[in-house]
Amino acid sequence: QKEVEQNSGPLSVPEGAIASLNCTYSDRGSQSFFWYRQYSGKSPELIMFIYSNGDKEDGRFTAQLNKASQYVSLLIRDSQPSDSATYLCAVKAGAGSYQLTFGKGTKLSVIP
Amino acid sequence: GAGVSQSPSNKVTEKGKDVELRCDPISGHTALYWYRQRLGQGLEFLIYFQGNSAPDKSGLPSDRFSAERTGESVSTLTIQRTQQEDSAVYLCASSLWVSGSGRETQYFGPGTRLLVL
Repeated sequence: QKEVEQNSGPLSVPEGAIASLNCTYSDRGSQSFFWYRQYSGKSPELIMFIYSNGDKEDGRFTAQLNKASQYVSLLIRDSQPSDSATYLCAVKAGAGSYQLTFGKGTKLSVIP
Repeated sequence: GAGVSQSPSNKVTEKGKDVELRCDPISGHTALYWYRQRLGQGLEFLIYFQGNSAPDKSGLPSDRFSAERTGESVSTLTIQRTQQEDSAVYLCASSLWVSGSGRETQYFGPGTRLLVL
């Protein structure tokens, strides 16, 4: 059973701070990792994609991947109230499979 | 419009009835995904289509669920003999793999909210 674990939160951070969201996964053969943002009552929005160990930066967002530890994280710098949402981690298995396994999400609240 | 569209936006049905959900992907997107999201839960993968290849049906929860897609066009998800536990938001996403960029763009539709009474 492939599992993706996230702390459900809520994670509260003050405006301007760095928000750190964490995700662990059980399938060591996983190849690709995604972070989605989902506002309440809305559809998920892909914000980051990473498949190599290390960091990947896109604007205020940085995804970090450590395959040896089976750990992926998302950092949000200079957090804004508009970042308040649920963040979903998703993992794709290896070659030949396109199945995504999602975590249940971490609810982030950025306090003005 | 340029986004993924889904219809109907809401569907209320009685237990035992069949329902059909529709997804119109973004033009040119080769891949299409169906997911289910129960209240307060993460997304549950159902099925994946890539071009004319055989679909990955490994996420379909039972033989009451089926989906079709012709080429790179519209997809329909059919649930036969609906049960109350089928109540959820059914989300469709389409994607285009951007060769060499290491980035997959995936866009979700607004979803169909299904309630089985």
